[in-house]
Amino acid sequence: GQQVMQIPQYQHVQEGEDFTTYCNSSTTLSNIQWYKQRPGGHPVFLIQLVKSGEVKKQKRLTFQFGEAKKNSSLHITATQTTDVGTYFCAGENSGGSNYKLTFGKGTLLTVNP
Amino acid sequence: DGGITQSPKYLFRKEGQNVTLSCEQNLNHDAMYWYRQDPGQGLRLIYYSQIVNDFQKGDIAEGYSVSREKKESFPLTVTSAQKNPTAFYLCASSMAGSGYGYTFGSGTRLTVV
Repeated sequence: GQQVMQIPQYQHVQEGEDFTTYCNSSTTLSNIQWYKQRPGGHPVFLIQLVKSGEVKKQKRLTFQFGEAKKNSSLHITATQTTDVGTYFCAGENSGGSNYKLTFGKGTLLTVNP
Repeated sequence: DGGITQSPKYLFRKEGQNVTLSCEQNLNHDAMYWYRQDPGQGLRLIYYSQIVNDFQKGDIAEGYSVSREKKESFPLTVTSAQKNPTAFYLCASSMAGSGYGYTFGSGTRLTVV
């Protein structure tokens, strides 16, 4: 079945440093979504990427979807303590009629003030 | 406000007992999902339903059962056949079809002793 690998598993940074998490799928995706889960909370939808090579920005967050639609990244510029949490990517398989997401294992980001 | 409600937040059960976790949404979403979250494992799909009176097994359905008699409700039963039931259970919903972000409930933390 489809697998979505995410690295790194953990990342600790000093406040103000940049952060990147990477996501790779074993199959071509129709779209990829990113979620953030604060400690003790539940995942919250951040964004969806659909087009090959797509880049989207949300303030200090930059999301990219690879040309082959099998990989994606999330980059945070100048991290803040409010960025703490686990970031998950989730891919939806292209083709078929079962529209369900396969989640990566997530990257836990901690920020030292 | 529309949302998705899971109850209870914490649940304790003795080994060998079945337990049912509640999930209700008033977002008018057709699709609903159950995920299990264990430390370091990300989110793993248990069951999902794209329409009332229909549901499909996810990646880890063994030891679980669901029903979808109403659009708003998707209860999950953790049976005594589930070998490691202690986990954080997350319910989510979305519009049916491709490319819709999920809205998650706040989760139920189940502890079986």
